[in-house]
Amino acid sequence: ILNVEQSPQSLHVQEGDSTNFTCSFPSSNFYALHWYRWETAKSPEALFVMTLNGDEKKKGRISATLNTKEGYSYLYIKGSQPEDSATYLCAFRTGTSGSRLTFGEGTQLTVNP
Amino acid sequence: EPEVTQTPSHQVTQMGQEVILRCVPISNHLYFYWYRQILGQKVEFLVSFYNNEISEKSEIFDDQFSVERPDGSNFTLKIRSTKLEDSAMYFCASSPPGEQYFGPGTRLTVT
Repeated sequence: ILNVEQSPQSLHVQEGDSTNFTCSFPSSNFYALHWYRWETAKSPEALFVMTLNGDEKKKGRISATLNTKEGYSYLYIKGSQPEDSATYLCAFRTGTSGSRLTFGEGTQLTVNP
Repeated sequence: EPEVTQTPSHQVTQMGQEVILRCVPISNHLYFYWYRQILGQKVEFLVSFYNNEISEKSEIFDDQFSVERPDGSNFTLKIRSTKLEDSAMYFCASSPPGEQYFGPGTRLTVT
């Protein structure tokens, strides 16, 4: 059974703070690691798909890194804003397109103005 | 920007009834999925669908569940004889090869 873990479970930061959270996944049978941003009552929004060890991706103030050998990925948010408040989900994939995503439990981020 | 849509947003049904959850994937996507999240638990995979057949299913996806792409645009999940433990948020997703794009979910409440 694949186990994907995220930490912390929740995080409260002040506007302007930079923050990061972790996704841990099995280092064997790795194919891709997905990050999603999910606001309540909305669709989970795709942030990144990462496939290569050492990959680093960036979208505005959000970036992510990937270490497939040790089985972790970090998501960083620089200069957090209240609109960054959401649950951030990571999901692990062992195969090509059409393969299931195995999700972590998410990190719930609250950015206080 | 194209998006995955799902209807209804909330469905209440009585135990033992059948429900059909509907999804309109992004057109020109090739792969279709259903996931669910029981309150307080992780999002979990149910089934994937490609080329008009199931390509992968989880241990949750037993004979109570079925999927269909009846008309080339809709993708449906049927749950027969619903149980209390089927109460969850059900998400549809679609993908070209690669990234999976999710709909906003249907909240199913079984009473």
